[in-house]
Amino acid sequence: EAQVTQNPRYLITVTGKKLTVTCSQNMNHEYMSWYRQDPGLGLRQIYYSMNVEVTDKGDVPEGYKVSRKEKRNFPLILESPSPNQTSLYFCASSLAGEKYGYTFGSGTRLTVV
Amino acid sequence: AQSVAQPEDQVNVAEGNPLTVKCTYSVSGNPYLFWYVQYPNRGLQFLLKYITGDNLVKGSYGFEAEFNKSQTSFHLKKPSALVSDSALYFCAVRDIWTGRRALTFGSGTRLQVQP
Repeated sequence: EAQVTQNPRYLITVTGKKLTVTCSQNMNHEYMSWYRQDPGLGLRQIYYSMNVEVTDKGDVPEGYKVSRKEKRNFPLILESPSPNQTSLYFCASSLAGEKYGYTFGSGTRLTVV
Repeated sequence: AQSVAQPEDQVNVAEGNPLTVKCTYSVSGNPYLFWYVQYPNRGLQFLLKYITGDNLVKGSYGFEAEFNKSQTSFHLKKPSALVSDSALYFCAVRDIWTGRRALTFGSGTRLQVQP
């Protein structure tokens, strides 16, 4: 089944403790992206990647890192999480080309205390 | 810059009645427009998109949307609502003239269909 897989689904952590949220897609998509969803704000893009070893900042990149060493994987790294990063995170992927929409993962609900 | 506005936080409609969820957009060039739906504890699911051609786009689950360039709108519609349509709906836009490839999402509209 074609899908985007995120892990974990739920995570509670403490301020300052480094964490990684994994994202993997099995559709050979070139484009991958991370969004966070907050009430009343919709989805805001954190980082995106056009292909392997090509990443760039989205609208809200502060406090996050990404890497794209393989085409299928696009992990999101929070080196020193803070409470304002408590949110619902989505990974998405798509084929190259502007006319394609995204396939989304099921989401990761992160709570930083 | 590209942006999307969904002016209604919530839309309430009775089952069997037609529904409309509003979306307006702003882009520098020409838009690609999308609607997604999110059910509780799930990721976003693609409903439909406008790329070019016919202004009336038909999508999944009986939904359709009308692209109106003069009003910069892309409202989502369904002739007869079902209780199972109750969910959070997001409109999104991509400006084909920018290099960033990002979809910009609206803040979402919660659709509540009453039995």
